[in-house]
Amino acid sequence: DIQMTQSPSTLSASVGDRVTIICRASQTISSWLAWYQQKPGKAPKLLIYKASSLESGVPSRFSGSGSGTEFTLTISSLQPDDFATYYCQYYNSSPYTFGQGTKLEIK
Amino acid sequence: EVQLMQSGAEVKKPGESLRISCKTSGYSFANYWINWVRQMPGKGLEWMGKIDPSDSSTTYSPSFQGHVTISGDKSITTAYLQWSSLKASDTAIYYCARHDYSTSSDYWGQGTLVTVSS
Repeated sequence: DIQMTQSPSTLSASVGDRVTIICRASQTISSWLAWYQQKPGKAPKLLIYKASSLESGVPSRFSGSGSGTEFTLTISSLQPDDFATYYCQYYNSSPYTFGQGTKLEIK
Repeated sequence: EVQLMQSGAEVKKPGESLRISCKTSGYSFANYWINWVRQMPGKGLEWMGKIDPSDSSTTYSPSFQGHVTISGDKSITTAYLQWSSLKASDTAIYYCARHDYSTSSDYWGQGTLVTVSS
């Protein structure tokens, strides 16, 4: 099975900062990667699919890149609403493994 | 409007059985898989398995194979997750999500909290 590893586990940043979260796959997964945002007590929300495609309605400050085994989620200018936990997920063939999550905290 | 509405919170004792549901609306149920995802208290997301409602075929994560059963009823556009004998370690929030081959899990239910305690 493919393993997904995110870094860092926790990230402290300020409003207006540019932040990047990394997700690495244990073997090549082409572009079969999604990114989700989850806030406390809420269901996850799809942000990015196919590594770099922005889901409808998601602000353009979110972007994804990468292919193969290394991927990034970038938030160009942090807004107060962006402080949450972010997960990557491989989703081509099962099991559709999630990364362990990155908690984005206010500095 | 696409909606996935999950059944309410459950409190059960170890050894009891349980079935939770995910009622879908606003799209063609047979055209999208349904994933089930576990989130244990304070922990991350774990993919449990999926069902293809068009033929009710299922696929499970090795971590959950044999411990849960996923099923569906096309006539009422509802997916289910069930346990025959709950354990305390099954305490978690369980989410259903609509899955598209291209875009992954684009719509999610609100989650069902299952608490297993003696």
